[in-house]
Amino acid sequence: KQEVTQIPAALSVPEGENLVLNCSFTDSAIYNLQWFRQDPGKGLTSLLLIQSSQREQTSGRLNASLDKSSGRSTLYIAASQPGDSATYLCAVRAGNNRKLIWGLGTSLAVNP
Amino acid sequence: EPEVTQTPSHQVTQMGQEVILRCVPISNHLYFYWYRQILGQKVEFLVSFYNNEISEKSEIFDDQFSVERPDGSNFTLKIRSTKLEDSAMYFCASSPLDTQYFGPGTRLTVL
Repeated sequence: KQEVTQIPAALSVPEGENLVLNCSFTDSAIYNLQWFRQDPGKGLTSLLLIQSSQREQTSGRLNASLDKSSGRSTLYIAASQPGDSATYLCAVRAGNNRKLIWGLGTSLAVNP
Repeated sequence: EPEVTQTPSHQVTQMGQEVILRCVPISNHLYFYWYRQILGQKVEFLVSFYNNEISEKSEIFDDQFSVERPDGSNFTLKIRSTKLEDSAMYFCASSPLDTQYFGPGTRLTVL
């Protein structure tokens, strides 16, 4: 059964710092992995999707990497800003079905 | 930019009552989903819908739950007899193919 874990559970950094959020999954047979952002009491905003055949995806200051064989993905945020403060969730899609299996998230606080 | 919308944003109901949560997916998307997130817990998959039928459902999605696409634009989740443990944030999502786009959610409170 696929399990998704995110470490750390919470992170507080000063503005301007580069940071890495981690996501691990137990079954490497994934179809793709998606990173989301969740603001308090709000919906889930898709940030990046990495297909199982890809190693990384970039969008602006965000870079997500995928190492399927070791069951890991990282989300790199460059030059963090207070507006980046949110919970970041990763979710994997396994195989032919389309359901996403989620981690609990990393709560990020970027302090001015 | 097109968005998934959900109504209501907050629904309060008494245990045993029926509720219908509504979603308008992004037009021209083919796949539709419902997920839920109990406070402090992981997001959980409930059901996926494609070509006017359920394509997959989780163990949570028992006979108390049903989904419908009544008019080609709306996508609804019905809970027939709500329980206290149904209190959660319910998210609708749609996808053209791979990336799933989520609505803002409906917070359901069962008293």
